[in-house]
Amino acid sequence: DAGVTQSPTHLIKTRGQHVTLRCSPISGHKSVSWYQQVLGQGPQFIFQYYEKEERGRGNFPDRFSARQFPNYSSELNVNALLLGDSALYLCASLTATKNTGELFFGEGSRLTVL
Amino acid sequence: TQLLEQSPQFLSIQEGENLTVYCNSSSVFSSLQWYRQEPGEGPVLLVTVVTGGEVKKLKRLTFQFGDARKDSSLHITAAQPGDTGLYLCAGEDTGNQFYFGTGTSLTVIP
Repeated sequence: DAGVTQSPTHLIKTRGQHVTLRCSPISGHKSVSWYQQVLGQGPQFIFQYYEKEERGRGNFPDRFSARQFPNYSSELNVNALLLGDSALYLCASLTATKNTGELFFGEGSRLTVL
Repeated sequence: TQLLEQSPQFLSIQEGENLTVYCNSSSVFSSLQWYRQEPGEGPVLLVTVVTGGEVKKLKRLTFQFGDARKDSSLHITAAQPGDTGLYLCAGEDTGNQFYFGTGTSLTVIP
């Protein structure tokens, strides 16, 4: 079975541009979360989507937006890029049981803003 | 914002040594998880602890959840070079949202 897939794996943008990152969750998983990870630090929560609806939002500016499609894939959009947006963007699909959930991560999209 | 602090931030030890990584928060979580991340890859789940005071063992790794479900520790016995990586704790809230710790970068020198 395919794991979580993300595209593109690497990209370079300049300040002020916008970027769209894509994620396909594990088959059967209906929830997708996005995280931003700066080198050497822990991932910071950006968004969580479940059944196409936003379930949670982290402390990120409105330049960050996302959506989930009927096939449960997801896009993360970032407008008006800043140098500080350079990071690894991770997508995770979630499987949840009665007591807890488990995140399955993709390999990430590494964004460099020049 | 639910903040999880990990200590130490960096750890470099010789093969065969023991080590403990700590994860502390002022928030209560429904579960706490530990992940390991290697360069160029996403984090991979090692263990989930749910009950306050719970202890889980995974080969040479021992995980403990604090009684108040606010903190956790990871102990590695006889570390090996293959244990090298970024160790992350993550607290789960009641909405299945996860908040990650600041990370501990471990290097095990052969």
